[in-house]
Amino acid sequence: DSGVTQTPKHLITATGQRVTLRCSPRSGDLSVYWYQQSLDQGLQFLIQYYNGEERAKGNILERFSAQQFPDLHSELNLSSLELGDSALYFCASSVVSGSYNEQFFGPGTRLTVL
Amino acid sequence: GQQVMQIPQYQHVQEGEDFTTYCNSSTTLSNIQWYKQRPGGHPVFLIQLVKSGEVKKQKRLTFQFGEAKKNSSLHITATQTTDVGTYFCAADTGRRALTFGSGTRLQVQP
Repeated sequence: DSGVTQTPKHLITATGQRVTLRCSPRSGDLSVYWYQQSLDQGLQFLIQYYNGEERAKGNILERFSAQQFPDLHSELNLSSLELGDSALYFCASSVVSGSYNEQFFGPGTRLTVL
Repeated sequence: GQQVMQIPQYQHVQEGEDFTTYCNSSTTLSNIQWYKQRPGGHPVFLIQLVKSGEVKKQKRLTFQFGEAKKNSSLHITATQTTDVGTYFCAADTGRRALTFGSGTRLQVQP
């Protein structure tokens, strides 16, 4: 158990819909990262938040958005869903001390778009 | 943008054989990390390498960071069935966001 929690575990929805994925980081970790892992694909970095502010952006579509709240939990919003958005979405957190940046991954949310 | 190539994509070995996966970056890295993802699981941090030419060992696993800080390798000696999974390198250019390699999936035949 990494200490990072993600809900829901599974999500099945239809094309065109909007969903929200939730992540609670490890206690004390200020940084939250979101990744997308498609079938047989590597991990694609989407976005990073640090203490409530956006820190880095990766290959995140305009239909996707995220935020980090004052209690440090984060939400990833996916809208106008397409079949190709079906994937595992991981959240990770880290404390980030100097150059040390070990990331702790949550169990993931499996999104299926029908 | 940042490119990280990882080879091989897949390797099937007999238990007891050695295994190596290689990672190459198009740019000089601040540091490189390695993660392992078991089937159906989430990535788990193995190690971070920071210094040029650094070599670190964890039991049967040996990690190396190239002199130019553009490549890295993970070598497993005498594989066991518990080593099964996908091994990812993750490159940090200093901007904190990690670029993951495509991963090497390791199968170990008992």
